[in-house]
Amino acid sequence: AQKITQTQPGMFVQEKEAVTLDCTYDTSDQSYGLFWYKQPSSGEMIFLIYQGSYDEQNATEGRYSLNFQKARKSANLVISASQLGDSAMYFCAMRSNNAGNMLTFGGGTRLMVKP
Amino acid sequence: KAGVTQTPRYLIKTRGQQVTLSCSPISGHRSVSWYQQTPGQGLQFLFEYFSETQRNKGNFPGRFSGRQFSNSRSEMNVSTLELGDSALYLCASSTSTVSPLHFGNGTRLTVT
Repeated sequence: AQKITQTQPGMFVQEKEAVTLDCTYDTSDQSYGLFWYKQPSSGEMIFLIYQGSYDEQNATEGRYSLNFQKARKSANLVISASQLGDSAMYFCAMRSNNAGNMLTFGGGTRLMVKP
Repeated sequence: KAGVTQTPRYLIKTRGQQVTLSCSPISGHRSVSWYQQTPGQGLQFLFEYFSETQRNKGNFPGRFSGRQFSNSRSEMNVSTLELGDSALYLCASSTSTVSPLHFGNGTRLTVT
């Protein structure tokens, strides 16, 4: 069974500063993918970034980067230069590549950006 | 390119009724999966359809069912509604099992 743990229920960050959201995972699969999604109060789930288990380089998408440490089973999201619009829930999720498109989600981290 | 479209956005039903939710995936996406989000249980996988066949199923009772049509649109049905079925139901589509899942805005179901 897969498990995703997000240990930070809530975090504050000052506008324009960088912030790291933690995610650790547990799986016995060798081939898997890790995702981060943003969920504003409106409810939509916005895809941010993806990392494959065999990708040697850390994924980056604009201000988002994924700090992937396979041996430690961690996939932390780094947001650079925080903006007020970054205030939202952030979910880490995992998919085994031999189990279709079934995602296992963590409990989420609520990020609040202070002006 | 249009995103994933879920209808309706909001629903209010009473216990014992049934409900059907609809999801239109991004054009060209053949995989559609459904998730339930509640404050207590978080985000939980319901089922996935690919090319009109259920490929995966989560740990939900048989009252929850779904189907996918030849145009990849999917519907989810919940029969004999219970108060605990109140949730945000999210649909996601993808081209394959190695590409990202893109979610719709969700349908918020309230059971009274």
